[in-house]
Amino acid sequence: ETGVTQTPRHLVMGMTNKKSLKCEQHLGHNAMYWYKQSAKKPLELMFVYNFKEQTENNSVPSRFSPECPNSSHLFLHLHTLQPEDSALYLCASSQRLAGGPFAYNEQFFGPGTRLTVL
Amino acid sequence: QQQVKQSPQSLIVQKGGISIINCAYENTAFDYFPWYQQFPGKGPALLIAIRPDVSEKKEGRFTISFNKSAKQFSLHIMDSQPGDSATYFCAASIGNDYKLSFGAGTTVTVRA
Repeated sequence: ETGVTQTPRHLVMGMTNKKSLKCEQHLGHNAMYWYKQSAKKPLELMFVYNFKEQTENNSVPSRFSPECPNSSHLFLHLHTLQPEDSALYLCASSQRLAGGPFAYNEQFFGPGTRLTVL
Repeated sequence: QQQVKQSPQSLIVQKGGISIINCAYENTAFDYFPWYQQFPGKGPALLIAIRPDVSEKKEGRFTISFNKSAKQFSLHIMDSQPGDSATYFCAASIGNDYKLSFGAGTTVTVRA
């Protein structure tokens, strides 16, 4: 595997279900991100992890719960979602200099998980 | 509040033509302006980026033009090819920050 991988690629769930999205990066990066992509809207940053520590929660509802067990893996746990949460969820990673700035960091994206909430 | 405004929402161009996508920003602290390209079923991928110390950057058939005083930047795709059909996102950030502010995207269709 190379780059950033995401599973599953497609997910259909009911409003009462609990599911998890998985992301794995094979680039040796130390920062990982979750984005929500809805049609005709800018990508929305949801969560950021730097060196496994969450550094950003962009006012995301608590029905979305991230987990970063190590610098290569990122999960997004979903429960009691709403139909308006249907979207493409993208994971990305980048390299941050230890203790320093991101310095024009390039973010590498996975292919996304297409989520449909019924 | 959308920090980067992108237009048009979609465009159709004939093979060999020029595609032009425009973006405008408000935050004068932005100093890094990347463009991402996204094909169906794929995540966005960095295409080309510019910093405000230059007014133009060219990589192959792709050119970014940057107008600091107008707070605008644009992507030009020269000699457009069917393989360029994709959605293009402009973005902006402050160089030492991870937060990318994205535009809403432009879907480009190149007709053979």
